[in-house]
Amino acid sequence: QKEVEQDPGPLSVPEGAIVSLNCTYSNSAFQYFMWYRQYSRKGPELLMYTYSSGNKEDGRFTAQVDKSSKYISLFIRDSQPSDSATYLCASANTGNQFYFGTGTSLTVIP
Amino acid sequence: DTAVSQTPKYLVTQMGNDKSIKCEQNLGHDTMYWYKQDSKKFLKIMFSYNNKELIINETVPNRFSPKSPDKAHLNLHINSLELGDSAVYFCASSPRGPGYEQYFGPGTRLTVT
Repeated sequence: QKEVEQDPGPLSVPEGAIVSLNCTYSNSAFQYFMWYRQYSRKGPELLMYTYSSGNKEDGRFTAQVDKSSKYISLFIRDSQPSDSATYLCASANTGNQFYFGTGTSLTVIP
Repeated sequence: DTAVSQTPKYLVTQMGNDKSIKCEQNLGHDTMYWYKQDSKKFLKIMFSYNNKELIINETVPNRFSPKSPDKAHLNLHINSLELGDSAVYFCASSPRGPGYEQYFGPGTRLTVT
């Protein structure tokens, strides 16, 4: 079992839709959770960073962590064509354990 | 001003050659990383240095050798290149350890022929 599992998609939605991206993780010691966005032929860029359980909102993006079910989510409201990218989740603990999911490819159709 | 930079951006070389990729960060971060991203987009950590000290050394062939001359630089040297080494290599840095947010460079696309 991989440390962080993510449905690779691809996911295709119409402009304006709400997008839900999800990951599960296996190590209950993980405390830090991140979402990265990667455009084609670019490096990943940090979107959201959360510690422990709960929600975090930044503009149209909301990150959610449920440690009881080891489930992390990213919601994108009012999705735009510019949101088309691969989204990578990541989990880490205070040691040097850090794992990325395999990424979900998202296309927002105008 | 580029935060994390890598050179070269593209590298095409033949099997058996030795090559190096350089990385520099101007963010003042303590920790730097090398990742390999394969054709399926899976991002796998290879090495991590904290203040020039190796802290993560994943199962990577010993043909790959990282070197950190100072905390702003982390280079990757690859000996005897193989076809399977073809991938995009990303450098990243973070303010503290791996549990903290990381900032990535633009990547080096390595093609071994």
